[in-house]
Amino acid sequence: DTGVSQDPRHKITKRGQNVTFRCDPISEHNRLYWYRQTLGQGPEFLTYFQNEAQLEKSRLLSDRFSAERPKGSFSTLEIQRTEQGDSAMYLCASSSDRGWDTEAFFGQGTRLTVV
Amino acid sequence: GEDVEQSLFLSVREGDSSVINCTYTDSSSTYLYWYKQEPGAGLQLLTYIFSNMDMKQDQRLTVLLNKKDKHLSLRIADTQTGDSAIYFCADGPRFGAGTRLTVKP
Repeated sequence: DTGVSQDPRHKITKRGQNVTFRCDPISEHNRLYWYRQTLGQGPEFLTYFQNEAQLEKSRLLSDRFSAERPKGSFSTLEIQRTEQGDSAMYLCASSSDRGWDTEAFFGQGTRLTVV
Repeated sequence: GEDVEQSLFLSVREGDSSVINCTYTDSSSTYLYWYKQEPGAGLQLLTYIFSNMDMKQDQRLTVLLNKKDKHLSLRIADTQTGDSAIYFCADGPRFGAGTRLTVKP
């Protein structure tokens, strides 16, 4: 296992289009987190999953955003009708059942540019 | 990261010590963390401290925790140019905005 992987690494899309990102966590990790990071800011928590259950969603996650983890393994984050303000780095992290109190590992992120 | 605050910039000379400070408003987390992010690279866990400790030393890194004041600091001894990066304090999954450390030769 090489760690948390995210795909694609970069995405350029036109405003109004839908985009979907994928995250593959470390295989034995049950918890999976999505973050958004904009320039000059720290990662902002969006949502997290315990296995396939989405347990918490930030108010940052508008109705245009949806995340799934159907089989409790990989997760997808979809943004519908993208806006320029959605341009950011989208980070995925995973951890064991003990939660963030164990070391959480981050992927390299997907950089989204909305033009 | 409105619950975790850090100063945005720090500049030091090579060989000096760097001290990066962080305050947090709420901690139900058992651990507090320092992450490092270099340009174009992912977040790297640098070190962490158990919330019942007040100090942890790890080679050139010293973490101090004042739980009463909810203040966390990271000291880097003998700072090198390779230490130039953004350092994030995290209270569990809540991150600060990051401190950009610049090390001048």
